[in-house]
Amino acid sequence: GENVEQHPSTLSVQEGDSAVIKCTYSDSASNYFPWYKQELGKGPQLIIDIRSNVGEKKDQRIAVTLNKTAKHFSLHITETQPEDSAVYFCAATPRGGSQGNLIFGKGTKLSVKP
Amino acid sequence: DSGVTQTPKHLITATGQRVTLRCSPRSGDLSVYWYQQSLDQGLQFLIQYYNGEERAKGNILERFSAQQFPDLHSELNLSSLELGDSALYFCASSPRDLRDRGGEAFFGQGTRLTVV
Repeated sequence: GENVEQHPSTLSVQEGDSAVIKCTYSDSASNYFPWYKQELGKGPQLIIDIRSNVGEKKDQRIAVTLNKTAKHFSLHITETQPEDSAVYFCAATPRGGSQGNLIFGKGTKLSVKP
Repeated sequence: DSGVTQTPKHLITATGQRVTLRCSPRSGDLSVYWYQQSLDQGLQFLIQYYNGEERAKGNILERFSAQQFPDLHSELNLSSLELGDSALYFCASSPRDLRDRGGEAFFGQGTRLTVV
């Protein structure tokens, strides 16, 4: 079945710097890759997603890249701000099978220092 | 606000008891997913329903069960509760099956279950 690995588990950056979080997946048939941001005490919030027919997608300070050959995708946050501090989860959607729609990585705790 | 409503927000109960968690999906969403998040843990998939039918099952214990009703709301039933069942339980919904370009999945705010 699908397995999603996420790195790093913690990331600390200075305000204004960029942050990059990387994920790899095992099922080459996975076709949808969302990223979620979870603040303390809240539910995961969808921040950006990408489908397998696209290599890159950008939304203001956030971008996601996908390399299907290498089976990895990354989240890029530029000009980080303190309010970006949260836990970020990547996920993959295996096509077919009985694993369910979203298999999550273990999360990255991002801290942005003022 | 994601549009997914979960009740109750907090639940404290004793070991051996049974509880029911409720989820109302976003208007028009047919798929409902349940996830468990333990302290410092990731999101573990429990079960998915699509338009009333069970679609996929993850690492859900036999003591746990779920269903989706004709009005598309879903309930997760947890019985014979143990201390280790203490966790956040999240519900998410999407218009259709994500594997078939079925839109995006949005999460509710979760139910925090504490078993004492």
